[in-house]
Amino acid sequence: DTGVSQDPRHKITKRGQNVTFRCDPISEHNRLYWYRQTLGQGPEFLTYFQNEAQLEKSRLLSDRFSAERPKGSFSTLEIQRTEQGDSAMYLCASSPPRWREVSGEQFFGPGTRLTVL
Amino acid sequence: AQRVTQPEKLLSVFKGAPVELKCNYSYSGSPELFWYVQYSRQRLQLLLRHISRESIKGFTADLNKGETSFHLKKPFAQEEDSAMYYCALPPQAGAQKLVFGQGTRLTINP
Repeated sequence: DTGVSQDPRHKITKRGQNVTFRCDPISEHNRLYWYRQTLGQGPEFLTYFQNEAQLEKSRLLSDRFSAERPKGSFSTLEIQRTEQGDSAMYLCASSPPRWREVSGEQFFGPGTRLTVL
Repeated sequence: AQRVTQPEKLLSVFKGAPVELKCNYSYSGSPELFWYVQYSRQRLQLLLRHISRESIKGFTADLNKGETSFHLKKPFAQEEDSAMYYCALPPQAGAQKLVFGQGTRLTINP
């Protein structure tokens, strides 16, 4: 499968614990996005990387959230001191450089479903 | 703030009937609009974008700037069209992120 991959697919944790999710974008996609999706809602933007630089962060990304993309390839999203309100599907997407872009499409991964007890 | 509104959370039609999924947006200028679809147990994927003016899987969507709408239409629904559909746009020209509507679950009854 050469699509965007995410790990783990499911995570159950207790309130107050830290969790980390990983996203591997499509090879040669230099743009990477994180979204969060809660039940009955569409995805909401969290943050955007171009190569290793984090160029945009949503106000949804509180101080407990941090994202990295150290080598411009895979990315991690860490949530510290999880709260029940963090329970959601966390989606990663990637897209090629603008000069190679054909459709403006963002290619989504399968998501990581987080449940905070 | 730029917004996308999909007024119907659920839509159910019979196979062979026409389908219209509504999407309204608020945007200053000329928006770039997308429809994404998520079939059961599959990941979110692009269905079509207004710039291409294509018909994908029999679906079309026309941008109506006067009504600020981008409704998705198909003349004859098929059972395999059952899925979640999301309308989306970048909040401003050149923006990297997408703003999504809340989605419409389309069910095609046999």
